[in-house]
Amino acid sequence: GENVEQHPSTLSVQEGDSAVIKCTYSDSASNYFPWYKQELGKGPQLIIDIRSNVGEKKDQRIAVTLNKTAKHFSLHITETQPEDSAVYFCAASIGGNSGGGADGLTFGKGTHLIIQP
Amino acid sequence: NAGVTQTPKFQVLKTGQSMTLQCAQDMNHNSMYWYRQDPGMGLRLIYYSASEGTTDKGEVPNGYNVSRLNKREFSLRLESAAPSQTSVYFCASSEILTSVGTDTQYFGPGTRLTVL
Repeated sequence: GENVEQHPSTLSVQEGDSAVIKCTYSDSASNYFPWYKQELGKGPQLIIDIRSNVGEKKDQRIAVTLNKTAKHFSLHITETQPEDSAVYFCAASIGGNSGGGADGLTFGKGTHLIIQP
Repeated sequence: NAGVTQTPKFQVLKTGQSMTLQCAQDMNHNSMYWYRQDPGMGLRLIYYSASEGTTDKGEVPNGYNVSRLNKREFSLRLESAAPSQTSVYFCASSEILTSVGTDTQYFGPGTRLTVL
């Protein structure tokens, strides 16, 4: 099955600096790569996703890049703010394009992002 | 529109007891999922239901059963709880866009379960 590796496990950056989190996946059939943010005591919340027919996607201060050849994808957060402090998870999925249904997501183990004031 | 709701929020069980975790979504999604989250392990898929009337095993199904009661509700049952099942359990739902693959999964707030 799919295996997703995520690095680093903890990342501390100064407020206003950029943060980069990297993930690799093993199954070349994976075609959907979401990123989730989880705050303490809450469920994961989607912040951005990318599909395998796209190389880069941006949403204000957040961007995700995908390299299908190398099987890795990255989350970039610019101009970090205190409210960005949280645990971030990458995930991968083969998806339901068979028309018959959907598989679950395979998650990385998470990155604890700490924004230092 | 509450999204995905889960009950209970917290539960303490003794080894061998049984219980059912409830999940409901009001987004008219076809697919629903159960994950468990353990420290340092990320989220791991227990079971999923691609559509009403179907269920399939995920990565860690042993010790669990599920029921897709209707399109809105998907329950997770522990028949004989063990300390290894101490975890935070998340339910999620998604719509499927077959032309582009798996769509966004929306997560509930979680159930924190402790088995003594």
